[in-house]
Amino acid sequence: DGGITQSPKYLFRKEGQNVTLSCEQNLNHDAMYWYRQDPGQGLRLIYYSQIVNDFQKGDIAEGYSVSREKKESFPLTVTSAQKNPTAFYLCASSGQGHTGELFFGEGSRLTVL
Amino acid sequence: AQRVTQPEKLLSVFKGAPVELKCNYSYSGSPELFWYVQYSRQRLQLLLRHISRESIKGFTADLNKGETSFHLKKPFAQEEDSAMYYCALSYNNNDMRFGAGTRLTVKP
Repeated sequence: DGGITQSPKYLFRKEGQNVTLSCEQNLNHDAMYWYRQDPGQGLRLIYYSQIVNDFQKGDIAEGYSVSREKKESFPLTVTSAQKNPTAFYLCASSGQGHTGELFFGEGSRLTVL
Repeated sequence: AQRVTQPEKLLSVFKGAPVELKCNYSYSGSPELFWYVQYSRQRLQLLLRHISRESIKGFTADLNKGETSFHLKKPFAQEEDSAMYYCALSYNNNDMRFGAGTRLTVKP
């Protein structure tokens, strides 16, 4: 089944701990994205990557880090510096020929205890 | 800076009534605008894009550059249209920004 796979679906973390969310795609897409979804605020862009070994900050990058070592993978680390990390995180990808169409994963819900 | 504004967080209509979900954007260049939809327990997915000038599931959206709007319309709402709708703006090559979303409820 092709598409975007995010893991884990649910994650609990203690304050002060870093946590990494996985995002893998087998669509051969160049661009990948991480969004944070909060009630009433819609989707806010954290980071995006247009190509391997390159990524740009979005609107709310503080307290987050990413890497893009492989085309199919774009992991997001939520660091202890993120002041309000409890949220739903969505990963997406897009490729040439799908102008503007993002394909989304099912999301990961992070809860900080 | 907020680039996409959806003024209504909630919208409720009766089945068969017309529906319009509002979207305004701020961008000085040539925008590419989209509507995404998330049905209950499903992934967020593309509904339509302005460049295609298409009608999907009876929905249409017209880009009005003078009013910087891209409102989504359907003449006769159906119960299965109940979902969360997001307007999105693409600019600067692959940088996609979303509005806060509007939850549409179509009552029987």
